[in-house]
Amino acid sequence: EAGVTQFPSHSVIEKGQTVTLRCDPISGHDNLYWYRRVMGKEIKFLLHFVKESKQDESGMPNNRFLAERTGGTYSTLKVQPAELEDSGVYFCASSQDTGGIYNEQFFGPGTRLTVL
Amino acid sequence: AQSVSQHNHHVILSEAASLELGCNYSYGGTVNLFWYVQYPGQHLQLLLKYFSGDPLVKGIKGFEAEFIKSKFSFNLRKPSVQWSDTAEYFCAVNANTGFQKLVFGTGTRLLVSP
Repeated sequence: EAGVTQFPSHSVIEKGQTVTLRCDPISGHDNLYWYRRVMGKEIKFLLHFVKESKQDESGMPNNRFLAERTGGTYSTLKVQPAELEDSGVYFCASSQDTGGIYNEQFFGPGTRLTVL
Repeated sequence: AQSVSQHNHHVILSEAASLELGCNYSYGGTVNLFWYVQYPGQHLQLLLKYFSGDPLVKGIKGFEAEFIKSKFSFNLRKPSVQWSDTAEYFCAVNANTGFQKLVFGTGTRLLVSP
């Protein structure tokens, strides 16, 4: 069974540019999460999709970040325009949905974003 | 707001030494607790979890953790580490409120020398 995949693995962009990160969850997983780790700090929650709906977006830092999950399959996270402080590793995770009970989240390899 | 503290940022041990990594969380309600590990070049993966029941939980690769509710702690232990345990370890909490998000600590980098 394929795990969670993320693309690209690395991205280096200039301040002010736009970047789009993609996450493909494990097939059949309705829950999809985005997290971010800024260097040396904790992994922080960004948002949670259940299918195509945003269940919890309390961790999104500001309106330069836009997450979508059209059709309830893969998800994209767009940063526009990127700022220096957006640099970090962006993790995606997915889990099954069994009606409100917590389910193990499976993580992807992450996308390392560097904003110069 | 929930938070998780991991007291050791870097730990260096020799093979066969015993390991204990500290984790404390701040949340007054019921929680689910986790330890994740990230081996060099690999994904984050679940090491062990506690939802309820026996506060001493056993995970993969000989790891165990003990939930002490009165201390808000969930320390990770292994009696004898191996070189292959070199990795970064993350403690995480999920408040049992219906929201699924994980709150992580800052991680502990463990280096085991052969």
